[in-house]
Amino acid sequence: SQELEQSPQSLIVQEGKNLTINCTSSKTLYGLYWYKQKYGEGLIFLMMLQKGGEEKSHEKITAKLDEKKQQSSLHITASQPSHAGIYLCGADMTETSGSRLTFGEGTQLTVNP
Amino acid sequence: NAGVTQTPKFQVLKTGQSMTLQCAQDMNHNSMYWYRQDPGMGLRLIYYSASEGTTDKGEVPNGYNVSRLNKREFSLRLESAAPSQTSVYFCASRRTGKFYEQYFGPGTRLTVT
Repeated sequence: SQELEQSPQSLIVQEGKNLTINCTSSKTLYGLYWYKQKYGEGLIFLMMLQKGGEEKSHEKITAKLDEKKQQSSLHITASQPSHAGIYLCGADMTETSGSRLTFGEGTQLTVNP
Repeated sequence: NAGVTQTPKFQVLKTGQSMTLQCAQDMNHNSMYWYRQDPGMGLRLIYYSASEGTTDKGEVPNGYNVSRLNKREFSLRLESAAPSQTSVYFCASRRTGKFYEQYFGPGTRLTVT
């Protein structure tokens, strides 16, 4: 089973709609990283959250880490076709400054104009 | 800064052939990684190198070998390619310490026939 579960696996929305992607773990997350990937390209870093209750925003994308640090959500407001792609969450699963990240399976987002 | 570069971008191999995927970073990062990405399975860690001179197995190391040639370069070798190794391969690097994101290369799309 995956240590990090992402939901939904895929999402199709109409342009202008809001949407949320979730990333859940049964263990404490010591650092949570959101990435976006366009088809055929590498991963682009979006945001990193480290403290329980933390929230960060960039343009129309907001990410939150819950108080227990076991779940993060990525919210897109007024989606645009440019938001389409695969969103992946990655996490530090140990408290020590180890170098490995564990990744979720990704959420495929399609935004129809 | 070029960031993380990978060569080649595309490769087709026959079963049993060998090849080396090259990766280099110019950000002076200590840690480097090799992942494979398959549909519905997210990113899976093949091998990583926490620092020059060290390498460790990830989740799916069978059929692969790695070399950390120097601080900049980390190569992935397939000694005898199999169809199950058809995938997209990503190299990444990361600064040592807590709460630093990984930087990804553009990927190598490998098909083994």
